[in-house]
Amino acid sequence: AQTVTQSQPEMSVQEAETVTLSCTYDTSENNYYLFWYKQPPSRQMILVIRQEAYKQQNATENRFSVNFQKAAKSFSLKISDSQLGDTAMYFCAFMKPTYNQGGKLIFGQGTELSVKP
Amino acid sequence: DTAVSQTPKYLVTQMGNDKSIKCEQNLGHDTMYWYKQDSKKFLKIMFSYNNKELIINETVPNRFSPKSPDKAHLNLHINSLELGDSAVYFCASSPWGPNSPLHFGNGTRLTVT
Repeated sequence: AQTVTQSQPEMSVQEAETVTLSCTYDTSENNYYLFWYKQPPSRQMILVIRQEAYKQQNATENRFSVNFQKAAKSFSLKISDSQLGDTAMYFCAFMKPTYNQGGKLIFGQGTELSVKP
Repeated sequence: DTAVSQTPKYLVTQMGNDKSIKCEQNLGHDTMYWYKQDSKKFLKIMFSYNNKELIINETVPNRFSPKSPDKAHLNLHINSLELGDSAVYFCASSPWGPNSPLHFGNGTRLTVT
């Protein structure tokens, strides 16, 4: 069974600085998908970024980028130029590409990020 | 607005009661889900439906019964509520197929007293 581990329960960063959130996962699959979701205090779940395992190039979305190390089964999220609005719980998630299970996401425990002014 | 909407936002009830949470999506997606977020904020899938057909049932007690009248709606009915059912329940939807990111509703906070 797949598992996702986020070893940093809480992190903080000064506004405008860069922070990296760690995520490791365990799977025997070769093809899969990885996601980072953000949950601000409003409770809404917002997709931040996603990565296909077959792509070697790291995904980037504006200030958010990932460092995907397939052999190490590591998928970290880097937030550049942190903003107060980035304060949220961040979840790493794994999806196995099985057509008979649709979009079953397996989540990590989450990392609570606080951006300080 | 295009979205996944679920009602109610908050639900407070006593042990033993039966309650329902409704979910609707107007994104045209084929697949809908229920996820549970516990008090430690851990998220776990409960059910998944594709075109009204149940495709994932993650060993959830049979007090929980999802119902999908059409592919735009997925409701969750809970019988004989227990204290341990207190959690935030998220509805989500996605297009069918792998690598389809889920779009989540805003969650329903259920408190059982």
